[in-house]
Amino acid sequence: AQSVSQHNHHVILSEAASLELGCNYSYGGTVNLFWYVQYPGQHLQLLLKYFSGDPLVKGIKGFEAEFIKSKFSFNLRKPSVQWSDTAEYFCAVKRGAGSYQLTFGKGTKLSVIP
Amino acid sequence: GAGVSQSPSNKVTEKGKDVELRCDPISGHTALYWYRQSLGQGLEFLIYFQGNSAPDKSGLPSDRFSAERTGGSVSTLTIQRTQQEDSAVYLCASTLNQGDTEAFFGQGTRLTVV
Repeated sequence: AQSVSQHNHHVILSEAASLELGCNYSYGGTVNLFWYVQYPGQHLQLLLKYFSGDPLVKGIKGFEAEFIKSKFSFNLRKPSVQWSDTAEYFCAVKRGAGSYQLTFGKGTKLSVIP
Repeated sequence: GAGVSQSPSNKVTEKGKDVELRCDPISGHTALYWYRQSLGQGLEFLIYFQGNSAPDKSGLPSDRFSAERTGGSVSTLTIQRTQQEDSAVYLCASTLNQGDTEAFFGQGTRLTVV
């Protein structure tokens, strides 16, 4: 069965620190990869996605993620976090070629201290 | 509407009662997912609808859970004889089609079984 692992349950950073959240998946075929963010009291929203092409994808609010196929990874990065980035971040994987099964990781809670 | 709408936003019910949760997907979206979000558990897939195809019910945790989607639009998730472990946030998402598209989430229904 397909699975998604997020390495950190809770990350605490000071403002301006750099961020990297790990995500690994188990499926070996073609995949579509997503990072979703859930700000306090708000619904899940898409941060960025990878379908094909350049493995370095850029999303909203200065976030980026790199797909490394050989490592089955899709880590999320931001060079300098802000207090407003405090949220829960979810990695998700969908098998490619028209598949529908969208599997989420357990999420990483990010707390940014002003 | 402009987004995925779920109702009610909060539901408190007594153990043993039945509950119905409603999801209005984005107009024109053919695919609809239900997920359950429990503290520290990420998003647990429950059921998937795609057009007029038979739904994928493989994620439903027990036969107390059922869902239907009428007319390819509105969906209702029903939980019979609720138990305390059913307490969670139930999320609905829709996608334009089965292929390489992102999922749009509703705000969720927070269910508390007392």
